[in-house]
Amino acid sequence: GESVGLHLPTLSVQEGDNSIINCAYSNSASDYFIWYKQESGKGPQFIIDIRSNMDKRQGQRVTVLLNKTVKHLSLQIAATQPGDSAVYFCAEHTSGTYKYIFGTGTRLKVLA
Amino acid sequence: KAGVTQTPRYLIKTRGQQVTLSCSPISGHRSVSWYQQTPGQGLQFLFEYFSETQRNKGNFPGRFSGRQFSNSRSEMNVSTLELGDSALYLCASSIQGGSGELFFGEGSRLTVL
Repeated sequence: GESVGLHLPTLSVQEGDNSIINCAYSNSASDYFIWYKQESGKGPQFIIDIRSNMDKRQGQRVTVLLNKTVKHLSLQIAATQPGDSAVYFCAEHTSGTYKYIFGTGTRLKVLA
Repeated sequence: KAGVTQTPRYLIKTRGQQVTLSCSPISGHRSVSWYQQTPGQGLQFLFEYFSETQRNKGNFPGRFSGRQFSNSRSEMNVSTLELGDSALYLCASSIQGGSGELFFGEGSRLTVL
């Protein structure tokens, strides 16, 4: 498949372990955040979102944490599976801009 | 429900040519955004359209343009292609833009020789 990014930071985890992917965002006025997953040759796929009035949100096997004080987001994936191998991006949105600013991405490799 | 459809999926052009990429959003979605994805720069915002109006434009030269039609379909055009324009061009749609999930297409991969 096509490579999304040749020099992305890579996180390697054992199958069944928990993964934590971090992201620093740029604008303290950003009020909405999304985590996306991108598999080789595909477009980004929504995982989970969080608004700035929250600091934690949980989905199925995933949790997003937001720390506005240090402008930091994290994505936690429980019991990581081979199908979780992909590139993960955080994206921030500021009200009224109609655009998202994406982070540089992290490649997650799940080891069998 | 059909997803976001982008055509063509792959294309090869030479420097100086122009290219037009097409995007059909999810039915009922009125906002369409375009992003350029390269290994070096990641995903960069190009523009966003809602009801045929461009509401925001990214920091790209004037060679990059777009439009949206009354049925919400969108096109983007790149004129006088340069080698650095080689990228995956992603289209995303949402119900009304702003905050909320963006649904991405598979992208159009442009190679400029």
